[in-house]
Amino acid sequence: AQSVTQLDSQVPVFEEAPVELRCNYSSSVSVYLFWYVQYPNQGLQLLLKYLSGSTLVESINGFEAEFNKSQTSFHLRKPSVHISDTAEYFCAVTNNQGGKLIFGQGTELSVKP
Amino acid sequence: DTGVSQDPRHKITKRGQNVTFRCDPISEHNRLYWYRQTLGQGPEFLTYFQNEAQLEKSRLLSDRFSAERPKGSFSTLEIQRTEQGDSAMYLCASSLEGATAAQYFGPGTRLLVL
Repeated sequence: AQSVTQLDSQVPVFEEAPVELRCNYSSSVSVYLFWYVQYPNQGLQLLLKYLSGSTLVESINGFEAEFNKSQTSFHLRKPSVHISDTAEYFCAVTNNQGGKLIFGQGTELSVKP
Repeated sequence: DTGVSQDPRHKITKRGQNVTFRCDPISEHNRLYWYRQTLGQGPEFLTYFQNEAQLEKSRLLSDRFSAERPKGSFSTLEIQRTEQGDSAMYLCASSLEGATAAQYFGPGTRLLVL
């Protein structure tokens, strides 16, 4: 069975500060990892994904995540956040069978001016 | 290019009533998923289809829940004899076939059972 743990339920940060949202997963088979973002009253949007190859993946809006197999982690980082990054962020995993995503509990990122 | 759409966006019903939600996936996607999200939690998988075949159902999906995708395009999720515990956001997603295919989500249907 697979599981995802997001270690922080809320992360408050000031604008232009760096941020890291932590995600750890558990799986007995190879996994594919995703980060989704959910803005207030909207559906989930895919932010970035790790499938294979380079362990560092980047999104178009400055976020990056690094797959660390030994630590079973896929932490999300951004060197300088904006007010508009305020949202709920979900880490998710699936395996090479495809199909369902297993989500973490979510991390609420709150960026303050 | 239209994304995943869901209808209705909001539904208020009384306990014991039946409700049905509809999801229209991205047109070229042959996989369609249903998830449920409660306040403060991540989405939980309910079921998914590849074309018209229902390939997996979660144990969360009690006998009161049924999903269909009769022609391999849109899907419906029906909840019979609703209970207050069914109050949640019901999310639909679609994807191409394959383990690496990303899932794209609709805006969700928010259900409130009184």
